[in-house]
Amino acid sequence: DGGITQSPKYLFRKEGQNVTLSCEQNLNHDAMYWYRQDPGQGLRLIYYSQIVNDFQKGDIAEGYSVSREKKESFPLTVTSAQKNPTAFYLCASSTSGQGSGYTFGSGTRLTVV
Amino acid sequence: QKEVEQDPGPLSVPEGAIVSLNCTYSNSAFQYFMWYRQYSRKGPELLMYTYSSGNKEDGRFTAQVDKSSKYISLFIRDSQPSDSATYLCAMTPGYALNFGKGTSLLVTP
Repeated sequence: DGGITQSPKYLFRKEGQNVTLSCEQNLNHDAMYWYRQDPGQGLRLIYYSQIVNDFQKGDIAEGYSVSREKKESFPLTVTSAQKNPTAFYLCASSTSGQGSGYTFGSGTRLTVV
Repeated sequence: QKEVEQDPGPLSVPEGAIVSLNCTYSNSAFQYFMWYRQYSRKGPELLMYTYSSGNKEDGRFTAQVDKSSKYISLFIRDSQPSDSATYLCAMTPGYALNFGKGTSLLVTP
């Protein structure tokens, strides 16, 4: 079955450590996105990529980094520069056409301990 | 002012009621409008998709877009306890989606 796989489902990080969240899709979608979801804040865009080897900052990119070396993969690194990283992280993908709906992964819940 | 405004609720209704969920927006460039349903600790799933103004119906769900008022709605008929979830509106002029904060809905038996 086609879909988006995010791993791990739960992740614990010590303060000062970098951590990488995995996102893989087999939908042959060109575009991929990372959102952060906090209670009362809705979904906020971190980074997005419309093609391989190219990506753009979203509204809250500070303290995060991404890479897009393969069409299927769009990993997100939460760096120690991110001051409040505890959140629910959602990866999504879509076709390259305008207005395409997203397919979301099941999310990774990151907790800083 | 946020580009997309959505009342977070919570909204509680009895089973069988008609539910009305709404969003307003400020960016007149938005022309693609969607509704997503999100169950607790899960990723959102696309429920309804509408391009420009008008109505769209799918089973118990009806989506309405009024671009002149910058207002979109989702109606759920004959609501069921399984409809209890958070409903997110989303819209875009082209690519990256702008989401509302989501409305939490509880349908009680």
